[in-house]
Amino acid sequence: NFMLTQPHSVSESPGKTVTISCTRSSGSIASKYVQWYQQRPGSAPTTVIFETNQRPSGIPDRFSGSIDSSSNSASLTISGLKTEDEADYYCQSYDSTYQVFGGGTKLTVL
Amino acid sequence: EVQLVESGGGLVKPGGSLRLSCAASGFTFSNYAMSWVRQAPGRGLEWVSFITDSAGSTYYADSVRGRFTISRDNSKNTLYLQMHSLRAEDTAVYYCAKGKGMIVASWGQGTLVTVSS
Repeated sequence: NFMLTQPHSVSESPGKTVTISCTRSSGSIASKYVQWYQQRPGSAPTTVIFETNQRPSGIPDRFSGSIDSSSNSASLTISGLKTEDEADYYCQSYDSTYQVFGGGTKLTVL
Repeated sequence: EVQLVESGGGLVKPGGSLRLSCAASGFTFSNYAMSWVRQAPGRGLEWVSFITDSAGSTYYADSVRGRFTISRDNSKNTLYLQMHSLRAEDTAVYYCAKGKGMIVASWGQGTLVTVSS
């Protein structure tokens, strides 16, 4: 099975832009869709990006997803950072018989 | 509005059993694959199990295969996770999730399972 590796933490100031990476260990990142989930402390996860670059209704366009085949990575970019964006973010992908979650990235907005 | 409400969590001794349920509403349950995902205290998300819309196929993480069984009752809009031979490392919040195939789209609020003597 492949793994998804994320940085443990990132921090940025309000109003700035931050990018969180998610690197696939084997197989092409482009072979299956990548999803991103936001989890605030004490709450269940919510979906912020699905199918690599699609936003569910209600998610602002400050959130965007992409992939980079050269680095075999997916990225979540959040622009115009707000203090409410402070949370853990997880990437997820899958194969035909299993799902894989990244280890999560703690985003601090300070 | 999609609603997923888990129940059945609690304190169980090592080696014991527990059955989790997830009551679904706000969508046509029988049209969607479903998953269970868990989160140990202070840890990240871990996929546990998956079931197709018709229950024709089920898949499990290596850590639970042979001990957990996923099932569903489309007439009751309910997803289940039967857990046997529970271990301390199974202690976690268990989330029910609505899928588009293997893509998790919506999440429940979770139910806590604690395995301890």
